[in-house]
Amino acid sequence: TQLLEQSPQFLSIQEGENLTVYCNSSSVFSSLQWYRQEPGEGPVLLVTVVTGGEVKKLKRLTFQFGDARKDSSLHITAAQPGDTGLYLCAGGDAGGTSYGKLTFGQGTILTVHP
Amino acid sequence: SAVISQKPSRDICQRGTSLTIQCQVDSQVTMMFWYRQQPGQSLTLIATANQGSEATYESGFVIDKFPISRPNLTFSTLTVSNLSPEDSSIYLCSAWDVSYNEQFFGPGTRLTVL
Repeated sequence: TQLLEQSPQFLSIQEGENLTVYCNSSSVFSSLQWYRQEPGEGPVLLVTVVTGGEVKKLKRLTFQFGDARKDSSLHITAAQPGDTGLYLCAGGDAGGTSYGKLTFGQGTILTVHP
Repeated sequence: SAVISQKPSRDICQRGTSLTIQCQVDSQVTMMFWYRQQPGQSLTLIATANQGSEATYESGFVIDKFPISRPNLTFSTLTVSNLSPEDSSIYLCSAWDVSYNEQFFGPGTRLTVL
C-alpha cells in the first residue's frame, strides 16, 4: 500500500508571506498531481509533474518533484487571501491493476489573512 | 481537460433509504472513480468504474452498499444503499483523461443522512 505524507496539515499566515507544503513517501510514483479545493467544490487540478527533478511554475506557485519521484513540494510566494483553500497532493501509480489510481495526501488547509 | 457534472449537488435523506448519484463527463473516458470526503479532509477512494466490467472496490467498501453502474464511456452512477448517519459525507466522481495523464473531478454531492 502506497502512502503519501503531507505536511503541514494546517497553515495560517498573513498576506505577503511565503509558504511551502510537502508531500513525502517511501514509494515511487509515476506522477504527482497537486489540487486546490474550495468549500462546496471539487478539487481543481493545479499541476502534474512526471519527471524526477522537474520544477513547474504557475504564477506565484512553484511545484517540484523529487529526483527519486518519492516526494514533492508546493511553494507559494507572497500569499494572497485568494490562495486560501485545501491543497491536496496525489501520487499516480505506475500501472498494472492500479493504472490511473491516485494516492492522496492528508491535505493542507491554508488560510491567508488580509 | 474533461468537464464533469454531478447530480444532485446535495441531498438530505432518511435512514434506511438509498441515494443514487449521477456523474456525467463531457468526453469519453476510460476510467472513472468514486471518492468519499469529509469536509476539510482528504479523499478516500471507494471504487474504480470501467465501462464494460464490474467496478473494482477498495478495502472497506462493498458492492452491496455502494453499487456502481458504468453503462458507457461518459456516464456513471454510484448508489449509497441502506443509509445511516455515518454515510453523511461528500461524494465525488472523477475521470482520468489518458491523453493528458490527468484526473479531473466533479463538484461533489453533499449527502446528509438523518
